[in-house]
Amino acid sequence: EAQVTQNPRYLITVTGKKLTVTCSQNMNHEYMSWYRQDPGLGLRQIYYSMNVEVTDKGDVPEGYKVSRKEKRNFPLILESPSPNQTSLYFCASSLWAGGGVEAFFGQGTRLTVV
Amino acid sequence: DAKTTQPNSMESNEEEPVHLPCNHSTISGTDYIHWYRQLPSQGPEYVIHGLTSNVNNRMASLAIAEDRKSSTLILHRATLRDAAVYYCILSGSSNTGKLIFGQGTTLQVKP
Repeated sequence: EAQVTQNPRYLITVTGKKLTVTCSQNMNHEYMSWYRQDPGLGLRQIYYSMNVEVTDKGDVPEGYKVSRKEKRNFPLILESPSPNQTSLYFCASSLWAGGGVEAFFGQGTRLTVV
Repeated sequence: DAKTTQPNSMESNEEEPVHLPCNHSTISGTDYIHWYRQLPSQGPEYVIHGLTSNVNNRMASLAIAEDRKSSTLILHRATLRDAAVYYCILSGSSNTGKLIFGQGTTLQVKP
């Protein structure tokens, strides 16, 4: 089954404790991205990757890092989480970055930073 | 980035057709019109997309105006499981692949 898998689904952590949210896709997609969703602000793109070893900042990259060492994986790293990073996070993938292609989203990771 | 405008909310009765409108008057020639929906506590889910012609798939139909400045997502027979936030998104002219999610239309389906 074609899917994007995120882990964990729920996470409560303390300020400053490094964490990684994993994202994996099984469709051999070139393009992957991370979004965060906050009430009243909708979904905003954090980082994206056009292909292996190619990553770039989205609209809200501060406080986040990503890596794309393999095509299937695109982890989101919070080196020193802060309470304003409490949010619902979604990973997405698609065949390429252009229009006319279907994007697949993970089930989401609800992160709380206390 | 081209913008879309949708009503905040709509209601429908179960098993009746639903027409969800979207205005995108600044659409560029390379923009595709995509629709996604987000059910409660889930990630966005692809519904349908088109460029110029009307499109049908197993989930819905997409009717695109001749001047491409508006489109309508049609759910032929709404079910309770179709209650979700529906997003109309333009994609293709940006070189970042970013999907711009507006506020969407919250669809309520009444039994």
